[in-house]
Amino acid sequence: GAVVSQHPSWVICKSGTSVKIECRSLDFQATTMFWYRQFPKQSLMLMATSNEGSKATYEQGVEKDKFLINHASLTLSTLTVTSAHPEDSSFYICSARPPQGGDETQYFGPGTRLLVL
Amino acid sequence: SQKIEQNSEALNIQEGKTATLTCNYTNYSPAYLQWYRQDPGRGPVFLLLIRENEKEKRKERLKVTFDTTLKQSLFHITASQPADSATYLCALVSWKLIFGAGTRLAVHP
Repeated sequence: GAVVSQHPSWVICKSGTSVKIECRSLDFQATTMFWYRQFPKQSLMLMATSNEGSKATYEQGVEKDKFLINHASLTLSTLTVTSAHPEDSSFYICSARPPQGGDETQYFGPGTRLLVL
Repeated sequence: SQKIEQNSEALNIQEGKTATLTCNYTNYSPAYLQWYRQDPGRGPVFLLLIRENEKEKRKERLKVTFDTTLKQSLFHITASQPADSATYLCALVSWKLIFGAGTRLAVHP
């Protein structure tokens, strides 16, 4: 149980285009989902927290107009990288927390590798 | 300032030995601390959680200790195997997870 999927697993795009990444909780409902970014040999950095049906909360330094998050249902959150640039190339990982989960409970997706040319 | 530090970028050990990884933190008071395994190009996989009032936690060949006075957690893998080779992340839990940069472990036959 507690499986989280991401799609696509990797994506290559041209600079200036927008890319959408999906995060799904497959066998549980997630009231809260998290989006992380990880650069090579660095830690996972929380970008934003999204709660179903409400606006996402962004961490300091993360541009909300560039990284659009939509948590439209209890099993799906999407991250759209708008007008992507090479510096946005990174590994994007989502996680999901079930309703009964505490602060320590997050199930992670397999990640999406984004390369912006 | 707040920091989480994991020891050395890479740890190389021989199969069968015990691997010990360190996680030190400053200016945090976490209620829990977690350890994850991350393989290249994959998301983290949860291994163990230890609470602030617990000294030690075990799961099969894994053992975690948590010293809130030293602000340190140690993660041990006993009888290590090449399949244990991966990056191990510690994460502090406040209202969100705060990750260390990870220690890459390589177990050689």
